[in-house]
Amino acid sequence: DAGITQSPRYKITETGRQVTLMCHQTWSHSYMFWYRQDLGHGLRLIYYSAAADITDKGEVPDGYVVSRSKTENFPLTLESATRSQTSVYFCASSEQEDYGYTFGSGTRLTVV
Amino acid sequence: KNEVEQSPQNLTAQEGEFITINCSYSVGISALHWLQQHPGGGIVSLFMLSSGKKKHGRLIATINIQEKHSSLHITASHPRDSAVYICAVKYRGSEKLVFGKGTKLTVNP
Repeated sequence: DAGITQSPRYKITETGRQVTLMCHQTWSHSYMFWYRQDLGHGLRLIYYSAAADITDKGEVPDGYVVSRSKTENFPLTLESATRSQTSVYFCASSEQEDYGYTFGSGTRLTVV
Repeated sequence: KNEVEQSPQNLTAQEGEFITINCSYSVGISALHWLQQHPGGGIVSLFMLSSGKKKHGRLIATINIQEKHSSLHITASHPRDSAVYICAVKYRGSEKLVFGKGTKLTVNP
């Protein structure tokens, strides 16, 4: 299906485990973004990518790793999950720098 | 510091009322976005604008560059408009969006 897809939709993991959230878009948009959304903070940028093999830190990158070997995929890995990383994670894409954004449906991650 | 301020934080209206949500930002921007998020739901982009006014159905977005202010209006509001509305701006020279904290709108029947 065309669009931007996040998986899984829900995930429960234990403290210290590694977990990867997937994001896939079918438009070949250049820009992709990972945000987390927490009560009282709104959306905060974790990492973004301007093109394949180009990634950069956002506002809250600590504890996360990203890669972008292919334009359409932008996985987010929590190397050693902590309870403070319990959040809803949104992936987004944009064709070019000043174009509109399209968001995925989100992944609700709970770290216990 | 580049910030985005939204007001009000919470808004309750009766069905049919005209709604206005405000967004202020601090310095020059290349684009401003209005987003909608239903409870437990994903985020939908409503508008992206850099000047003037845009309209889509009952939704109208305006921006005043000199005053660094944007408004989102909803005419003839309906309970299905109940959602969080988020303003986000892209400052000139930056590749990143800066988000407001959102306005929670509840429209009662």
